[in-house]
Amino acid sequence: DVKVTQSSRYLVKRTGEKVFLECVQDMDHENMFWYRQDPGLGLRLIYFSYDVKMKEKGDIPEGYSVSREKKERFSLILESASTNQTSMYLCATKGGTHGYGYTFGSGTRLTVV
Amino acid sequence: GQNIDQPTEMTATEGAIVQINCTYQTSGFNGLFWYQQHAGEAPTFLSYNVLDGLEEKGRFSSFLSRSKGYSYLLLKELQMKDSASYLCAVRVPQTGANNLFFGTGTRLTVIP
Repeated sequence: DVKVTQSSRYLVKRTGEKVFLECVQDMDHENMFWYRQDPGLGLRLIYFSYDVKMKEKGDIPEGYSVSREKKERFSLILESASTNQTSMYLCATKGGTHGYGYTFGSGTRLTVV
Repeated sequence: GQNIDQPTEMTATEGAIVQINCTYQTSGFNGLFWYQQHAGEAPTFLSYNVLDGLEEKGRFSSFLSRSKGYSYLLLKELQMKDSASYLCAVRVPQTGANNLFFGTGTRLTVIP
């Protein structure tokens, strides 16, 4: 089974801090994704990546950037955290046996104070 | 944009059957997925439909009608542990990718 690991389960950061959220997958999948999930809004795509050093904007990229230096690692960066970025962040990879659906990491609940 | 609609909340009784509907209007279609998400946890895969009809997997079944832009997830013999959010997601072909777009989820509460 694909394993997607997010480095932190809970994070508390101050406004203006630079924040790194890390995601690692162990199945050599090309496609990786970052979503945020908010009550009433569902999952919204922030950025995704097809391959190393490639990145594409999703629906809500403002205030975020990403890095994919190695195939297994996809990092989400909040350049200057703001309170409206308090959310649950989910990393996912595409592939495997389920019709090429997504496998999600356990999520990082970020609170910006 | 992509539009995927599902009810916000549903309540059902332990042992009963519940049907969660999902309608979609998307710029393309390349499959529909249902995920289950317990509070505070990651979504986990439940089912996948790409052709019209019913897919059955134990107590869970999922139906798709592409011409109507409609799917449902059917849960039988409800158990308390089925209390969770159920997410409908449509895979949409886009330039260079087939990305998943999610509905806002249906929070199901199973009562004794």
